[in-house]
Amino acid sequence: EIVLTQSPGTLSLSPGERATLSCRASQSVSSSYLAWYQQKPGQAPRLLIYGASSRATGIPDRFSGSGSGTDFTLTISRLEPEDFAVYYCQHYGSSPFTFGPGTKVDIK
Amino acid sequence: EVQLLESGGGLVQPGGSLRLSCAASGFTFSNYAMSWVRQAPGKGLEWVSVISGSGGTTYYADSVKGRFTISRDNSKNTLYLQVNSLRAEDTALYYCAKALRTTGTPYDYWGQGTLVTVSS
Repeated sequence: EIVLTQSPGTLSLSPGERATLSCRASQSVSSSYLAWYQQKPGQAPRLLIYGASSRATGIPDRFSGSGSGTDFTLTISRLEPEDFAVYYCQHYGSSPFTFGPGTKVDIK
Repeated sequence: EVQLLESGGGLVQPGGSLRLSCAASGFTFSNYAMSWVRQAPGKGLEWVSVISGSGGTTYYADSVKGRFTISRDNSKNTLYLQVNSLRAEDTALYYCAKALRTTGTPYDYWGQGTLVTVSS
């Protein structure tokens, strides 16, 4: 089973700043089958990035993903007020398709 | 417009059972894998299970294997999760999610969830 670790646990930033979130896998994620989701309080998760770097439909280009193998990054170039939320990574190359524990991005 | 509407949650005693349902609309249901993901109160997301579009392939998290069964009725555009031998740690909001395509793809649409509470 691939275990995903996300860091930091909490990221405190101001609107307009750049956010860099990390997701590390316990073993290589095949074919970069790594996704990122955003979840706001009381809402269902929303798919942001799949294939490590492809934006899902309707996702603004301030969100970008990168990485391969065991190390992946989600970058939000300039934080908008609506971006303060919890972000999860998930691998989907082989079952079980586990999620990371999440990174909370809150307002500094 | 894709819509996923879960139902069937509730309060159940330890050892009890429930059948969760997810009614889907707005897409060709049989063409897509479907999944269940849960979230315990105040906790992160936990992947539970996924089923292929035809229903012929299923996968489960180790924490639910042997107790939960995922199925689908493509004639009714409905996904199911039969949950048996429930434990306190199964208490969570259970989300239904549509895969981008196959079982090995991420989830592009999610329902609002149905709450399962396991308590005596």
